[in-house]
Amino acid sequence: DAGVTQSPTHLIKTRGQQVTLRCSPKSGHDTVSWYQQALGQGPQFIFQYYEEEERQRGNFPDRFSGHQFPNYSSELNVNALLLGDSALYLCASSRVGAGYSPLHFGNGTRLTVT
Amino acid sequence: SQKIEQNSEALNIQEGKTATLTCNYTNYSPAYLQWYRQDPGRGPVFLLLIRENEKEKRKERLKVTFDTTLKQSLFHITASQPADSATYLCAGFGNEKLTFGTGTRLTIIP
Repeated sequence: DAGVTQSPTHLIKTRGQQVTLRCSPKSGHDTVSWYQQALGQGPQFIFQYYEEEERQRGNFPDRFSGHQFPNYSSELNVNALLLGDSALYLCASSRVGAGYSPLHFGNGTRLTVT
Repeated sequence: SQKIEQNSEALNIQEGKTATLTCNYTNYSPAYLQWYRQDPGRGPVFLLLIRENEKEKRKERLKVTFDTTLKQSLFHITASQPADSATYLCAGFGNEKLTFGTGTRLTIIP
């Protein structure tokens, strides 16, 4: 049973560029959340997708956008990259209706903006 | 805004002793708290969940408490082992989202 998979594992981009990160949720999960984790900090909630729609959003600018596909996989897009966007981007999946369902995280995409 | 604070950035404990980590929440009342373990370069792994109406939960050598009066959760690892060395994250669920603290880096010294 595959867990949450993210690609790529590492990425280097230049300031001003755009990036797309991908996530496949754990089998049986239908909800995907994205988090940004800066070095030495805890994960910061970006947004959550369920039924192909953004359901909740954290305090992130519109440069951060996402998408969920019918197979529940998801993408995170970041436009006009800033140096401060350098971080570990974590995808987490869960199942709606499973009560207090814990999050299952992937190992993240390490994004470096130069 | 809702906030989770983990008081200690780093904690060193002698092997075999009990490690106690603290988590405080402000500006909201989470319906439940979760604790995760994160190893370097890896995503967090879920350990325990405790609801606001529960005082204590246990799982093997782990114990977590939830004190709504103090607005605090304590996370205990008994009979600690070097393999328990990691960063531990506390997270509180409220307003339809899970908010994480900055984590406590625990080192178990042989």
